[in-house]
Amino acid sequence: AQSVTQLDSHVSVSEGTPVLLRCNYSSSYSPSLFWYVQHPNKGLQLLLKYTSAATLVKGINGFEAEFKKSETSFHLTKPSAHMSDAAEYFCVVSDSRNTPLVFGKGTRLSVIA
Amino acid sequence: DGGITQSPKYLFRKEGQNVTLSCEQNLNHDAMYWYRQDPGQGLRLIYYSQIVNDFQKGDIAEGYSVSREKKESFPLTVTSAQKNPTAFYLCASSMGTGAYNEQFFGPGTRLTVL
Repeated sequence: AQSVTQLDSHVSVSEGTPVLLRCNYSSSYSPSLFWYVQHPNKGLQLLLKYTSAATLVKGINGFEAEFKKSETSFHLTKPSAHMSDAAEYFCVVSDSRNTPLVFGKGTRLSVIA
Repeated sequence: DGGITQSPKYLFRKEGQNVTLSCEQNLNHDAMYWYRQDPGQGLRLIYYSQIVNDFQKGDIAEGYSVSREKKESFPLTVTSAQKNPTAFYLCASSMGTGAYNEQFFGPGTRLTVL
């Protein structure tokens, strides 16, 4: 069965410093992996996705993630945090079977001025 | 504008009443989904539909019902059997289910049962 674990429920960084949000996954098949962002009281927006092409995936707003099969990880990074990055971030996995996406519990990112 | 609309944005109901949440998409997607979001619990799948006139239960279907009579519409009814219905409800759609198919989300409906 597929599953995803977001290792931190809350991350706090200063504006201008790097962001690292950690995600580990479990899948019996070749997975597709996604990161979504949710601002307060809004729907979710896709940041980036991995679908077995390049292992380093670039997304919107300067975010990127690296798929590491040996570590079963898909961590999200950004070189320099901006105040507008403060939001909830969800790591999501799907394997090759005809099943819906599986969401992690989310990581709340706070950015301090 | 292509996208997913949910209405209303805020909904208040008395305990014991059924309530229906609307979800419409004009993306020509086959699959549609309903999620419930509670603080600290991420998104939990209630129901999903891969095609018109067909739907499957998700992880927390008890106390909810859905219909899929049209491709673009997937309304969710929260029945009086749902023990704790106050939550943020999100509707999504995708081309298909499974790998490679990212989901597109609506803005959500916040339901409060008094």
